[in-house]
Amino acid sequence: DIQMTQSPSSLSASVGDRVTITCRASQGISNYLAWYQQKPGKVPKLLIYAASTLQSGVPPRFSGSGSGTDFTLTISSLQPEDVATYYCQKYDGAPLTFGGGTKVEIK
Amino acid sequence: QVQLVQSGAEVMKPGASVKVSCQASGYTFTSYDINWVRQATGQGLEWMGWMNPNSGNTGYAQKFQGRVTMTRNTSISTAYMELSSLRSEDTAVYYCARAPAGGYSHFDDWGPGTLVTVSS
Repeated sequence: DIQMTQSPSSLSASVGDRVTITCRASQGISNYLAWYQQKPGKVPKLLIYAASTLQSGVPPRFSGSGSGTDFTLTISSLQPEDVATYYCQKYDGAPLTFGGGTKVEIK
Repeated sequence: QVQLVQSGAEVMKPGASVKVSCQASGYTFTSYDINWVRQATGQGLEWMGWMNPNSGNTGYAQKFQGRVTMTRNTSISTAYMELSSLRSEDTAVYYCARAPAGGYSHFDDWGPGTLVTVSS
């Protein structure tokens, strides 16, 4: 099975900072990658699919890039409401594996 | 708007089975796959499997093969996930999530989750 590895596992940044989260697949998955945001005590929410397509209603400060094995989620200007755990997920085929998550906090 | 409403929390004994429901509204139930994802407290997301409500076809993660069954009742736009031979490690929040049908896809809407606690 393809493994999904996220880094870092946690980060602390200041409001207004640019934040980058990386997701690496153990084999190529083309662009079959989604990013989800899960705020504390809440349900996961889709941010980005097809590696770089912003889900409707998601603020444009979120962006995704990558293809093959290396992917990035970027928050261009971190806001207090972005405190959450972020997960990547592959969906090129079963199993639809999630990364381990990246917890984002405000410094 | 799209809504996925799940059944309430359950407390189960080890060895028992639990059946969680997920009732869909606000869209055509048979046009989207339903996936099930679970999350133990403080842990990450774990995909369990998918079901196409139109055909009834299913696919399960190998870890759950033989223990999980996903079904549906299209007349009431409801999907079900039954997990058998429960053990303490199955204590988790179980989510249903909608995905565009026609192959594996991202999950664009999620249910609120159902807490299943396995305890003697």
